[in-house]
Amino acid sequence: ETGVTQSPTHLIKTRGQQVTLRCSSQSGHNTVSWYQQALGQGPQFIFQYYREEENGRGNFPPRFSGLQFPNYSSELNVNALELDDSALYLCASSFQGARMNTEAFFGQGTRLTVV
Amino acid sequence: AQSVTQLGSHVSVSEGALVLLRCNYSSSVPPYLFWYVQYPNQGLQLLLKYTSAATLVKGINGFEAEFKKSETSFHLTKPSAHMSDAAEYFCAVSKGAGGSYIPTFGRGTSLIVHP
Repeated sequence: ETGVTQSPTHLIKTRGQQVTLRCSSQSGHNTVSWYQQALGQGPQFIFQYYREEENGRGNFPPRFSGLQFPNYSSELNVNALELDDSALYLCASSFQGARMNTEAFFGQGTRLTVV
Repeated sequence: AQSVTQLGSHVSVSEGALVLLRCNYSSSVPPYLFWYVQYPNQGLQLLLKYTSAATLVKGINGFEAEFKKSETSFHLTKPSAHMSDAAEYFCAVSKGAGGSYIPTFGRGTSLIVHP
């Protein structure tokens, strides 16, 4: 078990609505990354949070936003949902330090369907 | 910029046969390389990683991969396939030491194992 938990596991939303996905990182990790995985594709990097600040962003529009909390858990918010936002959203946590970085440990994902 | 190319969206083998999944990378800096496995409706599980130590890396479930800088490759192998190996496999690359851990994933290779 990786220790990274995501909620909810499945979600159905209507086009134009807003959605919030949640992620609890593994104990001891300080970095959370979010990925979008469309059907039949590899995960695409959305953004990363390190110590509550955005630390990198992929090619996603501003309606994709996030937060990281003091306990290193994180939220992904998507506004004005579009049909193409239907995907598996994966959260990954890792540790970044002055002398070492760990690999990412992934949660089970949230399956978002936009209708 | 970094990227990986996975050759073959599907690979089909018989149970007991050699598994070979191909991955070529592109990176402007010394990379870290990873193989992840994804079972249906699951998150990603790390199989193995290369972080500039030994070029032959052994992972879980009998898998191994060899980093070949001259060929910019990091192919995944297993001597004898089991039915339980049927899954989606992703190769990923990130910046090496000192870089933020933000792996870039390939499109994935679906491994099919026939009895």
